Amino acid sequence: GEDVEQSLFLSVREGDSSVINCTYTDSSSTYLYWYKQEPGAGLQLLTYIFSNMDMKQDQRLTVLLNKKDKHLSLRIADTQTGDSAIYFCAEPRDNYGQNFVFGPGTRLSVLP
Amino acid sequence: NAGVMQNPRHLVRRRGQEARLRCSPMKGHSHVYWYRQLPEEGLKFMVYLQKENIIDESGMPKERFSAEFPKEGPSILRIQQVVRGDSAAYFCASSLSSGRGTGELFFGEGSRLTVL
Repeated sequence: GEDVEQSLFLSVREGDSSVINCTYTDSSSTYLYWYKQEPGAGLQLLTYIFSNMDMKQDQRLTVLLNKKDKHLSLRIADTQTGDSAIYFCAEPRDNYGQNFVFGPGTRLSVLP
Repeated sequence: NAGVMQNPRHLVRRRGQEARLRCSPMKGHSHVYWYRQLPEEGLKFMVYLQKENIIDESGMPKERFSAEFPKEGPSILRIQQVVRGDSAAYFCASSLSSGRGTGELFFGEGSRLTVL
């Protein structure tokens, strides 16, 4: 099928690490993306990883890619209350355009 | 504001009325995408347009829904004879490039349609 899967909820304490997991569908996807949606707002690109990489680090964010298992994860170090949002995993749907398949989103709650 | 602009931000319609949602892409972007987000669900692709052309409408319901992106002016998503199940947030996104997965999607803040 064409469903990108994610767990729906995650709660962590401020200062802890958060790990959000995603299973995607298309092994030929060249890029895989993480988008963030804050309450009442649109989605913003958080980070992305090229498919020939296993890991990408960007400040507090670490993306891990396991192509064999089609598994993508996003780790947020030292999670802050401002990180509370919905995080969407996405992969390109087609061979043209930026037509993406999004997962259902993981709602991250950061507890003080 | 050079971002993707959507209006209205909130729209209330009664069953059977028409809803028109507008999207102005980022300056210089000629690729527009419409997505629908149902409560507690992810985004579902609806339609991909370039100026004056519909490239892919495979995610759009065959009846009551239509989209356009004219040579001049914003892209319009039109829903005729709305039903309660059409209540959702409709997001527009634009991109500069068309290559697969090579660019970034820029999203508007969404139009939230409520059907009474």
